[in-house]
Amino acid sequence: QVQLQESGPGLVKPSQTLSLTCTVSGGSISSGSYYWSWIRQPAGKGLEWIGRIYTSGSTNYNPSLKSRVTISVDTSKNQFSLKLSSVTAADTAVYYCARGGYDSSGTWGQGTLVTVSS
Amino acid sequence: AIRMTQSPSSFSASTGDRVTITCRASQGISSYLAWYQQKPGKAPKLLIYAASTLQSGVPSRFSGSGSGTDFTLTISCLQSEDFATYYCQQYYSYPSFGPGTKVDIK
Repeated sequence: QVQLQESGPGLVKPSQTLSLTCTVSGGSISSGSYYWSWIRQPAGKGLEWIGRIYTSGSTNYNPSLKSRVTISVDTSKNQFSLKLSSVTAADTAVYYCARGGYDSSGTWGQGTLVTVSS
Repeated sequence: AIRMTQSPSSFSASTGDRVTITCRASQGISSYLAWYQQKPGKAPKLLIYAASTLQSGVPSRFSGSGSGTDFTLTISCLQSEDFATYYCQQYYSYPSFGPGTKVDIK
């Protein structure tokens, strides 16, 4: 059974780049036809889809974040990553990675809290 | 951008109740809709995709219906473990979530 685990700094300074990695275990990130996504949730608020990368390497991003987001895959490490540049306090949230098809995300990581503060 | 709304935003219910949550899209999304359940401190859990297809392992008391712009999630007989927040998500264009509906104990 595939499991996902987010990792990365829990504290990022304003204007810097947030970098998170999602490690996939129990299966190969390059097998099958899946979308590998990032979603975030500020404390006490709803879910916001950030973007995704397909098995082929193609990406889709939330237009509201597109200028600051990069999602990439490292098949040798069975990981995919999120980079969000020029962060502000508004980017403070729990960040989740997830795997799914085009129409849903059925497998999620447990989430990791990232705080943007000086 | 497709905007998703949910109603109600929150409500109280009792174990055994039949509950219905509504999700509306700002434009037609065919059946590209999923429903998730989230409990405090936990990741969301996929319940239903393609508007009405039950995810493997999800109890049959959950059901989804609708197409186009109007969708519903129904829990036929509310159980104690169902008290949670429910989100709809459209996949017609870049994915976006509804604001959530919190179901708590009456």
